[in-house]
Amino acid sequence: DAGITQSPRHKVTETGTPVTLRCHQTENHRYMYWYRQDPGHGLRLIHYSYGVKDTDKGEVSDGYSVSRSKTEDFLLTLESATSSQTSVYFCAISEVGTNNQPQHFGDGTRLSIL
Amino acid sequence: AQKVTQAQTEISVVEKEDVTLDCVYETRDTTYYLFWYKQPPSGELVFLIRRNSFDEQNEISGRYSWNFQKSTSSFNFTITASQVVDSAVYFCALGGGGADGLTFGKGTHLIIQP
Repeated sequence: DAGITQSPRHKVTETGTPVTLRCHQTENHRYMYWYRQDPGHGLRLIHYSYGVKDTDKGEVSDGYSVSRSKTEDFLLTLESATSSQTSVYFCAISEVGTNNQPQHFGDGTRLSIL
Repeated sequence: AQKVTQAQTEISVVEKEDVTLDCVYETRDTTYYLFWYKQPPSGELVFLIRRNSFDEQNEISGRYSWNFQKSTSSFNFTITASQVVDSAVYFCALGGGGADGLTFGKGTHLIIQP
């Protein structure tokens, strides 16, 4: 299994609070991704990173920011959480710079915004 | 824009039946990659197969087989002699030639009844 750890695995918080999710990898892969999974939507890309300090927006980036100060860590921040951001969040990693290689996923973080 | 359609929201079959999961995609890229992922009830995402746009050869892996047809923009997945352990949500996904993440279908929930 790919060495991907997401933390926390579960979190319940209140509307308006800041939340940071962490994705840690031990594979030294250059590319990292954050997706959210919602019923009826499948997985949708939030942000991705193609190197340290290199990030870009995905399909549903509004309300989220990311940072990558080290190869192994990719952080997803909700500056002021809203109930619409209640979701399961998945981190993924990929070794090479094209989709020629599969992405491998972490086990997910279940986030509830009350 | 890329799009993946999995028209079957849920399929229920009796164990040992064959079942086909449909996936239709849209893309303007000439180089692209197609994937299938499995999400069992435990929630993790498991990579099953990757196919690039230049390789239309069908693939078989044990009870699993995949049929890629560019003429109909389809990448269908067949499970032969289904088993209860095949019960899961299956996602079809599409990636372009870059590293900007995958576009997922909404998933098909497969239920194998004993």
